[in-house]
Amino acid sequence: EPEVTQTPSHQVTQMGQEVILRCVPISNHLYFYWYRQILGQKVEFLVSFYNNEISEKSEIFDDQFSVERPDGSNFTLKIRSTKLEDSAMYFCASSERVWGSGNYGYTFGSGTRLTVV
Amino acid sequence: GIQVEQSPPDLILQEGANSTLRCNFSDSVNNLQWFHQNPWGQLINLFYIPSGTKQNGRLSATTVATERYSLLYISSSQTTDSGVYFCAVFEGGGGADGLTFGKGTHLIIQP
Repeated sequence: EPEVTQTPSHQVTQMGQEVILRCVPISNHLYFYWYRQILGQKVEFLVSFYNNEISEKSEIFDDQFSVERPDGSNFTLKIRSTKLEDSAMYFCASSERVWGSGNYGYTFGSGTRLTVV
Repeated sequence: GIQVEQSPPDLILQEGANSTLRCNFSDSVNNLQWFHQNPWGQLINLFYIPSGTKQNGRLSATTVATERYSLLYISSSQTTDSGVYFCAVFEGGGGADGLTFGKGTHLIIQP
């Protein structure tokens, strides 16, 4: 079964540093997403990306965050000037979302656990 | 935006028991998925079930879209079933673009 691949699985960074989290979505999927889960809390939507631009973003996704699809396969989340409260599990997801097919299923990657110290 | 409520928040059972987890949502949806988050934090997709009933081994799920709820059944529980079970919905049709998650049900299966 096709998978969404995320790297690294764990990342420790110092406060104030920039981090880039990487994802390889499923190849025929058109919609890409980043979600965040602070330890012990629910999974929260950050941003969706379609046709090489942001489709929607949540209130969490402020100027500190950016996303990019630098080539035909990778999808990245950049967090600038990290803060302690950015420590969380970050999930990438992709969806085929073929309108009219009824197929709106999302596939999630295994996550990157980011620890800011 | 759409609200997703899961119950119970916590559930402790003995191995071999059956359980039913519930997910209520506040508006019509185009997608509903159940996930199991294992102790390593991975989100494992269990079911994509916007309506109807599906079964996969000891797990089954039913979504009654007209009444805005879904149920996840776990039969003959095993200790490996422990973890957090999340329900997530996608509105579509001009609603929120991403999946909206509930707070989850934390299931502990004791040997």
